[in-house]
Amino acid sequence: DIQMTQSPSTLSASVGDRVTITCRASQSISSWLAWYQQKPGKAPQLLIYKASSLQSGVPSRFSGSGSGTEFTLTISSLQPDDFATYYCQQYNSYSPTFGQGTKVEIK
Amino acid sequence: EVQLVESGGGLVKPGGSLRLSCAAPGFTFSNAWMSWVRQAPGKGLEWVGRIKSKSDGGTTDYAAPVKGRFTISRDDSKNTLFLQMNSLKTEDTAEYYCTTSDTLHCSGASCYEGALDYWGQGTLVTVSS
Repeated sequence: DIQMTQSPSTLSASVGDRVTITCRASQSISSWLAWYQQKPGKAPQLLIYKASSLQSGVPSRFSGSGSGTEFTLTISSLQPDDFATYYCQQYNSYSPTFGQGTKVEIK
Repeated sequence: EVQLVESGGGLVKPGGSLRLSCAAPGFTFSNAWMSWVRQAPGKGLEWVGRIKSKSDGGTTDYAAPVKGRFTISRDDSKNTLFLQMNSLKTEDTAEYYCTTSDTLHCSGASCYEGALDYWGQGTLVTVSS
C-alpha cells in the first residue's frame, strides 16, 4: 500500500495566519491527491482534488499544490471556521490511503 | 443533490456480525462506484473497501484488515449499498461512512475512483464484550 505521511500532526495558529500542511507519498501518485476537512462529529468534506483543483463551494483561501510525492495544502488567511482536522488521501491505487491527519488549533 | 444515509450500526460482541446499509436516493446509483471508509474513535480515516458499478464488472476490493470478513454488496433497484461484517473484532470499532466519487480515472488497464465528493453522516459500530 502507498503510505501517506502528513506534517505537522498538530498546528497552532491564529485567525489571519497563513497555514501550510505537507503530505508525502511513499511512491509517486502523479497528481491523484485530495484534501479533506473534518470537524468534530461530522463527516469529512472534500476541499481539493487532483492536488490543486478547488472543489465547488470551497473558499478560495484554500489552495493545493504538488505532484509526484510531495504535496501541500495552504490556507492563505485562517478563519474561525477553519479550525478542524485536515487529511490528505491518495487515490492512485486500488487501495486508497489517507494521511494521519493534521489538527489545526487556535493559538 | 447526492444524499447518503447509513444505518445499521450498534453494539455487537467480538465474533459477532452486523450488516450496515447506505441508502442513496436522488442520484444515478447504478452507475456509481461506492466505498466504505471507517474512523476509529479519536483516530484517522481508513478505507475499508469498494464495489464497482455493474457496468464496470460489479467487483469488490477490500483493505487487508477486513478481507475475508467483510462483504460489500449493492441493490441497484433500491439504491442501497450494504456492508456485511462478520467475525467482528474490537479493533473494528469505528464510525463507518458510505462514500462515492463523481469521477473515475484510468492509468493503463486500471481504473480507480476519484476523490470522494460525497459522504454519509456515518453509523457507529462498537465491538465490545
